[in-house]
Amino acid sequence: ETGVTQTPRHLVMGMTNKKSLKCEQHLGHNAMYWYKQSAKKPLELMFVYNFKEQTENNSVPSRFSPECPNSSHLFLHLHTLQPEDSALYLCASSHAGQGLYEQYFGPGTRLTVT
Amino acid sequence: RKEVEQDPGPFNVPEGATVAFNCTYSNSASQSFFWYRQDCRKEPKLLMSVYSSGNEDGRFTAQLNRASQYISLLIRDSKLSDSATYLCVVNSGYSTLTFGKGTMLLVSP
Repeated sequence: ETGVTQTPRHLVMGMTNKKSLKCEQHLGHNAMYWYKQSAKKPLELMFVYNFKEQTENNSVPSRFSPECPNSSHLFLHLHTLQPEDSALYLCASSHAGQGLYEQYFGPGTRLTVT
Repeated sequence: RKEVEQDPGPFNVPEGATVAFNCTYSNSASQSFFWYRQDCRKEPKLLMSVYSSGNEDGRFTAQLNRASQYISLLIRDSKLSDSATYLCVVNSGYSTLTFGKGTMLLVSP
């Protein structure tokens, strides 16, 4: 399936590195999301963009910086991360608004911070 | 009370068995409900939306009880390929969803 793509699929970075995660959706949606999934924990919503505007920042540390240049693309810029930031980072998209709008996920980026 | 609560399992069942999962949610204003399935080290995939009247998709049946604030998923005639973690998902605001930790299902031959 290629509805929502993410790159890279795997990333190992040191605590002083700067890297970016990329997400692209081909579903005609206008809302995009970043989630973090750590072992033994439920998915944690990080950021929500509706029509390119950030509508939610779920108390995420500033070392994570999202960017949404258009409704199809979403980035997560990473800098000076900590080992506890190692997790699976999932991007999702949906139609925006209230209602029964299912979210569709990309395959995720498995991030390891050393 | 956790926003979305599920029994983590694992539920170990033989092929052909019927298995049911329940999920409770705390936000009485929630309007949208879903079951997602997540395979090991993969992304969650939508299994089915849950409608007030209950709905069925092949071997899968979902029910919603608003008064008691719980959602259920019934899987009939379990297949080996049904082995996965099943995530209960509830909307918690404009375009946002809250996920449960998931219930693990293991179907054995």
